[in-house]
Amino acid sequence: EAGVAQSPRYKIIEKRQSVAFWCNPISGHATLYWYQQILGQGPKLLIQFQNNGVVDDSQLPKDRFSAERLKGVDSTLKIQPAKLEDSAVYLCASSLDARLAGFGRLYNEQFFGPGTRLTVL
Amino acid sequence: AQSVAQPEDQVNVAEGNPLTVKCTYSVSGNPYLFWYVQYPNRGLQFLLKYITGDNLVKGSYGFEAEFNKSQTSFHLKKPSALVSDSALYFCAVRERMNRDDKIIFGKGTRLHILP
Repeated sequence: EAGVAQSPRYKIIEKRQSVAFWCNPISGHATLYWYQQILGQGPKLLIQFQNNGVVDDSQLPKDRFSAERLKGVDSTLKIQPAKLEDSAVYLCASSLDARLAGFGRLYNEQFFGPGTRLTVL
Repeated sequence: AQSVAQPEDQVNVAEGNPLTVKCTYSVSGNPYLFWYVQYPNRGLQFLLKYITGDNLVKGSYGFEAEFNKSQTSFHLKKPSALVSDSALYFCAVRERMNRDDKIIFGKGTRLHILP
């Protein structure tokens, strides 16, 4: 089974420039996540999609970050304009439908892509 | 609010010795607990999880973890370390009452296995 695909793997830009990352989740996975992993820290959830709808974007800096999943499959995360503190690895993950069953159901494991390492100069 | 702590930035273990990577958590209800491993230039890989049932959970690559409710801990263990176990390990927690699958990660512990 193919895993979560991300591109590009590496990106170097100057501050105030724009950048976009792409993610293709595992086939059949309805839930998609974008995480930001700053060096020395654990991954922090930026946004969670259920199909093409946003479930949680409470930690997304909406003045500069945006994400979409128009057809409920692939997703793009954009930063415009980038700041130095945006340098990080951006991880995409996917899981089966987070809405399945109800309280007490088993957790749907998240599968992670290789990440995109962004360096802002 | 849920949180997870990994008190050690780095753990060094000689090859063949047992290893322990520590994790403590805080949730208002019952937890789901996870361990992930990250190798250089690769995404996170799932190792094991505790959902319910036996407190000792066995996972991939010979790793296991013990859920201790009274100490709110979920330490990762392996009886005999391999050099190939050297990587970054993340503990994560989710409150069981949550209606979504959002999990909170610790800051990670770098494990060095010395040959």
